[in-house]
Amino acid sequence: AQKITQTQPGMFVQEKEAVTLDCTYDTSDQSYGLFWYKQPSSGEMIFLIYQGSYDEQNATEGRYSLNFQKARKSANLVISASQLGDSAMYFCAMREGPSNYQLIWGAGTKLIIKP
Amino acid sequence: DGGITQSPKYLFRKEGQNVTLSCEQNLNHDAMYWYRQDPGQGLRLIYYSQIVNDFQKGDIAEGYSVSREKKESFPLTVTSAQKNPTAFYLCASSTFLAGKNIQYFGAGTRLSVL
Repeated sequence: AQKITQTQPGMFVQEKEAVTLDCTYDTSDQSYGLFWYKQPSSGEMIFLIYQGSYDEQNATEGRYSLNFQKARKSANLVISASQLGDSAMYFCAMREGPSNYQLIWGAGTKLIIKP
Repeated sequence: DGGITQSPKYLFRKEGQNVTLSCEQNLNHDAMYWYRQDPGQGLRLIYYSQIVNDFQKGDIAEGYSVSREKKESFPLTVTSAQKNPTAFYLCASSTFLAGKNIQYFGAGTRLSVL
């Protein structure tokens, strides 16, 4: 079974609109971490935001926020006021356990912002 | 500036040749990683190292080798045993600051077979 599922292979969004990228995960660990990364066409992976399983508040970083619904095992990325520069691949990843070095990666969502 | 430097940006390999991809970090991170990414796909872990002189195989280690003689450096060798090496290779490093273990990445190396 997939541990990280990103159900949207691609999305088109109008500039300045908000966008939600879906990520569901599957783990039996109580302690885990969830990550979102952005990969522009240049290829570099850029860290966006982190949510720990014990964090009570949803994580926010500037225009990025993580809608963490623990019971649903959902960790959706919300980008407010989208910009043309947000066009990229977005990957969700999970660290299972408190000290695991490996991350489990989703297949990614390609986001295209239309002017 | 602190960061991760991968070189070269583009690399071409002839049949039967070993090639080495360089990864250097000046973030003082303990852990380093190598990933492979095929077109339109996610990341697959090749090798990772938690500490100098120690490393572990990831999901697709066959045909690859690594060394970790210095904290700052984690080179990846793509051997002739790797029959389909054409891919984008990403190096990352991390530290367990505040328990997060956020991985930071280099700009990548694109490897093609001649």
